[in-house]
Amino acid sequence: DAKTTQPTSMDCAEGRAANLPCNHSTISGNEYVYWYRQIHSQGPQYIIHGLKNNETNEMASLIITEDRKSSTLILPHATLRDTAVYYCIVRVGDSGYALNFGKGTSLLVTP
Amino acid sequence: GAVVSQHPSWVICKSGTSVKIECRSLDFQATTMFWYRQFPKQSLMLMATSNEGSKATYEQGVEKDKFLINHASLTLSTLTVTSAHPEDSSFYICSARGEVGSTEAFFGQGTRLTVV
Repeated sequence: DAKTTQPTSMDCAEGRAANLPCNHSTISGNEYVYWYRQIHSQGPQYIIHGLKNNETNEMASLIITEDRKSSTLILPHATLRDTAVYYCIVRVGDSGYALNFGKGTSLLVTP
Repeated sequence: GAVVSQHPSWVICKSGTSVKIECRSLDFQATTMFWYRQFPKQSLMLMATSNEGSKATYEQGVEKDKFLINHASLTLSTLTVTSAHPEDSSFYICSARGEVGSTEAFFGQGTRLTVV
């Protein structure tokens, strides 16, 4: 799996958009970008994934650059419940192997 | 999304005793389950991969005789921490992969183990 780089921590005001960046310059053509988050003392939660097109679901949007070397997870209207560690993971989509979690970005949403 | 249920959510045990943690896929059949361990302020570390009907594959540094994994059915995997010691205190999380073609991984709620 390609290596990813994320900022250690970020702050965001409640109600504003949270933009979480991820660099994955060594990504291969068949590797997807996945985002998971972990709220304190809970198991990780799937957010979204994409290959090269931008994706949107009820939780977030994923913007992948044209060269696929970086991406941004966007939480359009952050709430206090979005405070969590966000993990960007790059991997082959249908791989039977486990997810390899890096250090992630600790997002703090403030009132 | 699919649901993975982990039990118990937390457990306190005495040093030297064994503790069993269950991981169930509630609405899908999981041919593969994964067990992770997470120490405070650290990321999840994979301990082992469990395939239904076969022996688990352990990551380097994880003692297979201490962390017994059983995956006897397509909906249940168990992790038994044998002869637990205080250094085994951690947050244990299971994950299940669905049918072939599934691209998501589903996680249990985690089990907080405290060994006293």
